[in-house]
Amino acid sequence: EAGVAQSPRYKIIEKRQSVAFWCNPISGHATLYWYQQILGQGPKLLIQFQNNGVVDDSQLPKDRFSAERLKGVDSTLKIQPAKLEDSAVYLCASSLDFPKQGAGGYTFGSGTRLTVV
Amino acid sequence: AQTVTQSQPEMSVQEAETVTLSCTYDTSESNYYLFWYKQPPSRQMILVIRQEAYKQQNATENRFSVNFQKAAKSFSLKISDSQLGDTAMYFCAFTPNYGGSQGNLIFGKGTKLSVKP
Repeated sequence: EAGVAQSPRYKIIEKRQSVAFWCNPISGHATLYWYQQILGQGPKLLIQFQNNGVVDDSQLPKDRFSAERLKGVDSTLKIQPAKLEDSAVYLCASSLDFPKQGAGGYTFGSGTRLTVV
Repeated sequence: AQTVTQSQPEMSVQEAETVTLSCTYDTSESNYYLFWYKQPPSRQMILVIRQEAYKQQNATENRFSVNFQKAAKSFSLKISDSQLGDTAMYFCAFTPNYGGSQGNLIFGKGTKLSVKP
């Protein structure tokens, strides 16, 4: 079974520029998550999708961050404009339909390390 | 608010010895899941062990076991016969089993474990 694919692996941009990250979840996984992991901290959820609908985006800074999940499969996360404090690792994860399948089926990608200078 | 606390930023252990990582959490929920994840330098989160709150029996996975104390809201991880490959960041995580935050993993800040030869 292929894992969760993310690209790019690294990205360096200047503040006020825009950037986009891509995630391809495991085939058949209905739920997709984007997490932000700042250096020295645990990951924090930015947005959760169930198929192509948003379940939770309460911690997404909507003035600069946006995300979409086309056709309930791939997802992109965009930052525009970037700030220095956005420097972090952005992790994508997917799981089976949580309410039906229960917890434990999460699979994480290797993340994108973003540096904003 | 639900929180996860890991009070040990760093720990070290000699190869083949046993080490215990601590985790406490705060929630008003009665039905939830707890996890320990390992994050090596590759950045991918790898599930180590999972515990369902309604199960009194402590989960075990080969050399890894937990001590789940629901009343004390404590969830420690014991690693027996430590191996060099166990060197990594370890994160404790929680998710409720129902409600709007269902499936949203809440992580602690992590414990950096070093296994020394």
